[in-house]
Amino acid sequence: KAGVTQTPRYLIKTRGQQVTLSCSPISGHRSVSWYQQTPGQGLQFLFEYFSETQRNKGNFPGRFSGRQFSNSRSEMNVSTLELGDSALYLCASSLVPGEAKNIQYFGAGTRLSVL
Amino acid sequence: AQKITQTQPGMFVQEKEAVTLDCTYDTSDQSYGLFWYKQPSSGEMIFLIYQGSYDEQNATEGRYSLNFQKARKSANLVISASQLGDSAMYFCAMRGSRSGYSTLTFGKGTMLLVSP
Repeated sequence: KAGVTQTPRYLIKTRGQQVTLSCSPISGHRSVSWYQQTPGQGLQFLFEYFSETQRNKGNFPGRFSGRQFSNSRSEMNVSTLELGDSALYLCASSLVPGEAKNIQYFGAGTRLSVL
Repeated sequence: AQKITQTQPGMFVQEKEAVTLDCTYDTSDQSYGLFWYKQPSSGEMIFLIYQGSYDEQNATEGRYSLNFQKARKSANLVISASQLGDSAMYFCAMRGSRSGYSTLTFGKGTMLLVSP
């Protein structure tokens, strides 16, 4: 069974550009969450999607957005990139949301560098 | 608000020895889940073990066990018989009922180095 797939693995962008990251969840998983990991702030929750609806959102500016498609695949978009957006972006999938024991399985991440 | 504290920035252990990674948490939720993840240098977060707040027995998964002390709000990870491949960053995380079990809150992590 394939794991969570994130593409691309690496991205280099310049300030002011926008970027789209993709995440394909484990087959059968319908919930997708996104996290940002930086050396200074650690791992921070971005948003969670289930059934094409954003279920929860972290404390990030509106430049960060996401969506989920009917096949549960998800994309996140960052517009008007800033140097501080350089980070490892991790996607996680789980069967359904709303249960403490629901395990989130992570992908290998997309490493974004903003120059 | 939830908070996870991992007080050990780095730990060193010799191969085949056991090691305990500390984790304390703070939450006002009555129902919550506690998790440990391993992150090698490649970046992928690998799920290791889960403990529910109402579980009476400590969770175990192969060489991993979770020493859960609810009254002390402690959820330490014990790795028995360390292997060289265990060298990685380890994160303790939790999520609770108030967020609809949506958000995983992570600690800062502990870097574990296993030497031959």
